[in-house]
Amino acid sequence: NAGVTQTPKFRVLKTGQSMTLLCAQDMNHEYMYWYRQDPGMGLRLIHYSVGEGTTAKGEVPDGYNVSRLKKQNFLLGLESAAPSQTSVYFCASSYRGRVGTEAFFGQGTRLTVV
Amino acid sequence: RKEVEQDPGPFNVPEGATVAFNCTYSNSASQSFFWYRQDCRKEPKLLMSVYSSGNEDGRFTAQLNRASQYISLLIRDSKLSDSATYLCVVIRVGGALTFGSGTRLQVQP
Repeated sequence: NAGVTQTPKFRVLKTGQSMTLLCAQDMNHEYMYWYRQDPGMGLRLIHYSVGEGTTAKGEVPDGYNVSRLKKQNFLLGLESAAPSQTSVYFCASSYRGRVGTEAFFGQGTRLTVV
Repeated sequence: RKEVEQDPGPFNVPEGATVAFNCTYSNSASQSFFWYRQDCRKEPKLLMSVYSSGNEDGRFTAQLNRASQYISLLIRDSKLSDSATYLCVVIRVGGALTFGSGTRLQVQP
């Protein structure tokens, strides 16, 4: 049972490099989310998607772009990485964001920008 | 002001103690409420949903007070395995999950 899978799990980038984080879910969920978690800050929403082909900005979208070309995949891109983007990134998905709906998380991607 | 606020703790309690966490939310349009648990360096996992009438799951009891816009989590008979960070989560219909910064619980032998 895969659930939500994130790749890669770890990455070290140099300042200015670009990369894409991939999130894949096999539960046919409409909603998908990207969060970042920093010490003492909790999870902060970067971008989210309510369905294939749609995306919306969250609390901290600057420096990130996303795409949802297929329902099961949600990609997070960093065009020009900065040290401030060093964080743990979590992807999540849920069924339509309805009342009482549980969100399932991937295991996280630990990104360090040097 | 953050949309969801929690006391970061840590709460250090002995085994067998009862401990309670509160969480306040600022958006009155919030419709769904949850408590998630996060172990160190792991992903968050759902602990329980919070219903208007309050609900209980074993040693855990969740309450919602819409008038005052807060939710609570009560843990009875704390176990060492309860040590974790507890995240309060709210969601507006059609919106995204919004997390509090979490309350850290350390249960001591």
